[in-house]
Amino acid sequence: GAGVSQSPRYKVAKRGQDVALRCDPISGHVSLFWYQQALGQGPEFLTYFQNEAQLDKSGLPSDRFFAERPEGSVSTLKIQRTQQEDSAVYLCASSPGQNYGYTFGSGTRLTVV
Amino acid sequence: GENVGLHLPTLSVQEGDNSIINCAYSNSASDYFIWYKQESGKGPQFIIDIRSNMDKRQGQRVTVLLNKTVKHLSLQIAATQPGDSAVYFCAEILGSNYKLTFGKGTLLTVNP
Repeated sequence: GAGVSQSPRYKVAKRGQDVALRCDPISGHVSLFWYQQALGQGPEFLTYFQNEAQLDKSGLPSDRFFAERPEGSVSTLKIQRTQQEDSAVYLCASSPGQNYGYTFGSGTRLTVV
Repeated sequence: GENVGLHLPTLSVQEGDNSIINCAYSNSASDYFIWYKQESGKGPQFIIDIRSNMDKRQGQRVTVLLNKTVKHLSLQIAATQPGDSAVYFCAEILGSNYKLTFGKGTLLTVNP
């Protein structure tokens, strides 16, 4: 597609519920990133994929967070047993390689109630 | 839309004026910097970038200045328009690292 597509745009989850957030990167982009953006803050790094390989997951806040990109294109960020502090916008970005040309999607706004 | 302005530095300018948005970055070894514009409900949008071997780079209506001595980055927007109203973030990358580290955003409001 022309840009990075994320779905759903909005998600309301009850505390304790599992959620799955989807990212469709730009076709052919090797690198894919997930960022978390709290209200009024800049995005913070969660995890990085190069093709299907998850090379860095150092930013994932807990073992309740899990990301995958099994075929090197679409990625899913899964959050298990959601908690209120997980409420944020989750942004996906892709790029043709490292260190340049990052394109962000519009994000998924997760609200945990 | 969300009210991110509650926690952000703000800059209010008149339409047609020039705007200067400042950013202090954290790592003296960072060698690649990007300015992003983020409108309400959207993801960050690339504006302009600069590498550490440069002091200045110009784009269409925008100029980025880099002062490595004091770890300071600025974004100048010429003839600011209402469509420029958004939150602006600077971001840095260290060497071959791929992680973008974002600074504190600035909310720019352009008054017609």
